[in-house]
Amino acid sequence: EVQLLESGGGLVQPGGSLRLSCTASGFIFSNYAMSWVRQAPGKGLEWVSSISGSGGSTYYADSVKGRFTISRDNSKNTLYLQMNSLRVEDTAVYYCAKDDAVVIIEFDYWGQGTLVTVSS
Amino acid sequence: QSVLTQPPSASGAPGQRVTISCSGSSSNIGNNYVSWYQQLPGTAPKLLIYRNNQRPSGVPDRFSGSKSGTSASLVISGLRSEDEADYYCAAWDDSLSGRGVFGGGTKLTVL
Repeated sequence: EVQLLESGGGLVQPGGSLRLSCTASGFIFSNYAMSWVRQAPGKGLEWVSSISGSGGSTYYADSVKGRFTISRDNSKNTLYLQMNSLRVEDTAVYYCAKDDAVVIIEFDYWGQGTLVTVSS
Repeated sequence: QSVLTQPPSASGAPGQRVTISCSGSSSNIGNNYVSWYQQLPGTAPKLLIYRNNQRPSGVPDRFSGSKSGTSASLVISGLRSEDEADYYCAAWDDSLSGRGVFGGGTKLTVL
């Protein structure tokens, strides 16, 4: 059974940093691209970032480029999102999602989400 | 402003058929696969349609997807009360250095 479990969310002040983790199980992690998708309170889904199975290719939304870094440790079956220079508008539930063998934005499994609140 | 355009709301009576549209451009829908997601209140999204018109196992055949040019559609037939949810389309966009894009979402109300 495929499972994705996010952790690392919480309350942080504007300008602060946070690192999210997503631990995967039930599939060969290194064979699949992975992504982060967020949802601000009462709003729609927003793609944040994607990474290829090997980690060699990464992609970012303009809204987070230069501030967020996606990475993965295939030996630990874990996806990360390092978030720096956080802004109030980054407040959202952050989901990790499993893509296909390459990044094509087809998410067949999602985590339960972790809430990030940026506030003073 | 979302890159993919969906109607904000849709509705239908039980048993009816509802169509939700998703409009994009040549850099996203026109050149890449479209996927559709259902999100019930307070839960993570669920994949309904992938590769434009394919259903994952477990998704009822009441749900179907299609794509033509730079637009895509999700059709829900035999509407049921449990279909009341938010629906999103998504695709890869080849512009700039590449990015994922979602529609703004459509809230479906079963009357």
